[in-house]
Amino acid sequence: AQTVTQSQPEMSVQEAETVTLSCTYDTSENNYYLFWYKQPPSRQMILVIRQEAYKQQNATENRFSVNFQKAAKSFSLKISDSQLGDTAMYFCAFMNPFDINNDMRFGAGTRLTVKP
Amino acid sequence: DAGITQSPRHKVTETGTPVTLRCHQTENHRYMYWYRQDPGHGLRLIHYSYGVKDTDKGEVSDGYSVSRSKTEDFLLTLESATSSQTSVYFCAISESAVHEQYFGPGTRLTVT
Repeated sequence: AQTVTQSQPEMSVQEAETVTLSCTYDTSENNYYLFWYKQPPSRQMILVIRQEAYKQQNATENRFSVNFQKAAKSFSLKISDSQLGDTAMYFCAFMNPFDINNDMRFGAGTRLTVKP
Repeated sequence: DAGITQSPRHKVTETGTPVTLRCHQTENHRYMYWYRQDPGHGLRLIHYSYGVKDTDKGEVSDGYSVSRSKTEDFLLTLESATSSQTSVYFCAISESAVHEQYFGPGTRLTVT
């Protein structure tokens, strides 16, 4: 089974600075999808960004970008110009859409605090 | 935001009682999922559905059952609740197996 590891349980960053959250995964598949979800104190799970493994170009959504290293099985999230509203738990997730179980595997999460 | 609601949002129940959580969607998406969220584990899949009356087990399905009689509703039942089932439960939906999942607001369940 695929596993997802987030090695940083907690991180903090000063407002307006840049922070990178790490994620590694284990799979023998070649085609899959990776995601970052944000969970603010409201508890709502919000999709931040998505990356298809067959795409070499790193995904970007405004201040959020990823560094996808397929060979290293690494998928980090960079948040630029951090804002107070970025304070949240961040979950990395892996999905193999061709798996009969259609299972999305999540990491344990990284709690990010943006300090004023 | 995707039209997903969960009910109830909070529930406290006693060990051994049956509990049913409801997920309702207005997006007409084919796939629906139930996850539980526990500290240190992220989200883990309990059951999922790939169509009306079509369901299958996820990673942590023991002690749970599901039903989907309509496209818009996916029910999660704890036949006899145990303290280990105290958790936050999330419903999610997706258009297909290759699309991202969108989550409901969650239900906090406490089993005393």
